Amino acid sequence: DAGVTQSPTHLIKTRGQQVTLRCSPKSGHDTVSWYQQALGQGPQFIFQYYEEEERQRGNFPDRFSGHQFPNYSSELNVNALLLGDSALYLCASSSVLAGFETQYFGPGTRLLVL
Amino acid sequence: GENVEQHPSTLSVQEGDSAVIKCTYSDSASNYFPWYKQELGKRPQLIIDIRSNVGEKKDQRIAVTLNKTAKHFSLHITETQPEDSAVYFCAASTNAGGTSYGKLTFGQGTILTVHP
Repeated sequence: DAGVTQSPTHLIKTRGQQVTLRCSPKSGHDTVSWYQQALGQGPQFIFQYYEEEERQRGNFPDRFSGHQFPNYSSELNVNALLLGDSALYLCASSSVLAGFETQYFGPGTRLLVL
Repeated sequence: GENVEQHPSTLSVQEGDSAVIKCTYSDSASNYFPWYKQELGKRPQLIIDIRSNVGEKKDQRIAVTLNKTAKHFSLHITETQPEDSAVYFCAASTNAGGTSYGKLTFGQGTILTVHP
């Protein structure tokens, strides 16, 4: 039973560039949520995708966008990168049948913006 | 929006002692409260959760209690072991229009150190 996977594991970008992060949910899950975890902080909710649509969004600017594919995998895109975007980006998957709340996290993508 | 406060920020115990971490939340509509354990460089792992229709839940050495009136919930770890050392996060799920979409609001985390 495959767990949540994310790619890449690490990424270094410069200010102003754009980045795409990828997530494959746990087998049997249909919902993907994205979180940003700054060093020493708890994860902060970015947005959630279900049925290929953004269902809910946290307090993040429009530079953060996403997509969900028919196979339930998801992408997080960040445009015009700022130094403050450096963080661990986590995706979490869940199932509508089990309740959207019960979420299992992937290993994360560590993004460094120089 | 929802706000979750977590205390203490650090907790140091001797092996075999009990550890208690407390969280308070602000949104009375929240109805799901998970706890995650995150070891250094690893993903957050769901260790236990509780819903608002239950006051207490136990899983071996780990238990969670919920007081809806006071809007606080706690994680209890008994007979602590060195491998329990990690950062622990509480979270609350915020309802949106009466339907929970599962947005988790996290506390700031507690660094638990268990000394052998």
